[in-house]
Amino acid sequence: SQQGEEDPQALSIQEGENATMNCSYKTSINNLQWYRQNSGRGLVHLILIRSNEREKHSGRLRVTLDTSKKSSSLLITASRAADTASYFCATDIGGGADGLTFGKGTHLIIQP
Amino acid sequence: SAVISQKPSRDICQRGTSLTIQCQVDSQVTMMFWYRQQPGQSLTLIATANQGSEATYESGFVIDKFPISRPNLTFSTLTVSNMSPEDSSIYLCSVRGGAESNTQYFGPGTRLTVL
Repeated sequence: SQQGEEDPQALSIQEGENATMNCSYKTSINNLQWYRQNSGRGLVHLILIRSNEREKHSGRLRVTLDTSKKSSSLLITASRAADTASYFCATDIGGGADGLTFGKGTHLIIQP
Repeated sequence: SAVISQKPSRDICQRGTSLTIQCQVDSQVTMMFWYRQQPGQSLTLIATANQGSEATYESGFVIDKFPISRPNLTFSTLTVSNMSPEDSSIYLCSVRGGAESNTQYFGPGTRLTVL
């Protein structure tokens, strides 16, 4: 399966600023999911957005989805040092028996 | 959400040996998924394991190298056979679950180093 692209590959910002990460993919999807990974540990699920949704919020997170452009963005507002992690988007083509196709990830560093 | 545990959490192995990774889920699930994350890379799906049938492998992964067992609805194992340093990776199992059944939850991963 082909992975999507994420940009930027790395992002360093000051604490309190907003961080935006983008994800592009190649095939039609059922949903798109964002994950966080701290220092090579397990993945923490952040948010799932369905193909018929355009925007979704969860706390300080805002996710958008543009299926016509096959792209999604993750916005983290008022960033904190604890947000330092790698962030991955993953697409799900649906069907129940399918795994996810992951993007290459964005490594986010929040400077205190 | 599903709670997933994996054993071992990490291991250092010699070339040519095999390692079996266990994945336990706190609820019954139909599908379990195994992923590999090579150093500094993203995750790649190895195979999908359905209880009572043969696992389905993704392109580039074969059963002889990564045999999978799925004896019941809460447990699965992945074996990395005849290991080489290129097999050094984090191996993660995953299940679908939760209020939105398409959400995939991941175990903490097994960090494997092959010398």
